[in-house]
Amino acid sequence: QVQLVESGGGVVQPGRSLRLSCAASGFSFRSFAMHWVRQAPGTGLEWVALVSYDGGNIYYADSVKGRFNISRDTSKNTLYLQMTSLRPEDTAVYYCARGSQELDYWGQGTLVSVSS
Amino acid sequence: ELVMTQSPATLSVSPGERATLSCRASQSINSKLAWYQQKPGQAPRLLIYGASSRPTDIPARFSGSGSGTEFTLTISSLQSEDFAVYYCQQYNNWPLTFGGGTKVEIK
Repeated sequence: QVQLVESGGGVVQPGRSLRLSCAASGFSFRSFAMHWVRQAPGTGLEWVALVSYDGGNIYYADSVKGRFNISRDTSKNTLYLQMTSLRPEDTAVYYCARGSQELDYWGQGTLVSVSS
Repeated sequence: ELVMTQSPATLSVSPGERATLSCRASQSINSKLAWYQQKPGQAPRLLIYGASSRPTDIPARFSGSGSGTEFTLTISSLQSEDFAVYYCQQYNNWPLTFGGGTKVEIK
């Protein structure tokens, strides 16, 4: 069955960096676009970034453009989100999700807390 | 940025009753709309895609309709496990955008 497992979250000071990982299994990872979506405490969902199935197309939300970098390693079936210059407003649960259009499978999320 | 507006913010419904949730796009998104269900402490789950198509594991009591800018999610007879927050999401334009959610609570 399709599984997406995020890791790498934690508490980090403003201005610092963090890298999230999403281990994929149960499907052909190289065939699907992958996303990061986040959810700040008590709020709704915010799309963060997309990488196409082959890594050739990448899109970011304006709120993270220039600070976050999405990438994928097909040999490891893993999706990454490198986050730099973190701000308190980046505090959220970060989900990875599969999909070229609708997001049909989601991981359970990893919590990132940006605080001094 | 394309804005998705959901209404109402909260819907109080008795078990067994019908629930109707609305989602409006600030411009036409054709039928490129998905609905998700999220329960506390859980990840979102895809309920509807293409405005009206249902994944095979989603019960038939969930149905979606609409096109252009106006969309509806209907739950025909609410079960106890359906009380949750529901989000719409458009994938016609970048960036992908979600509505603010509708919380379906027990009346």
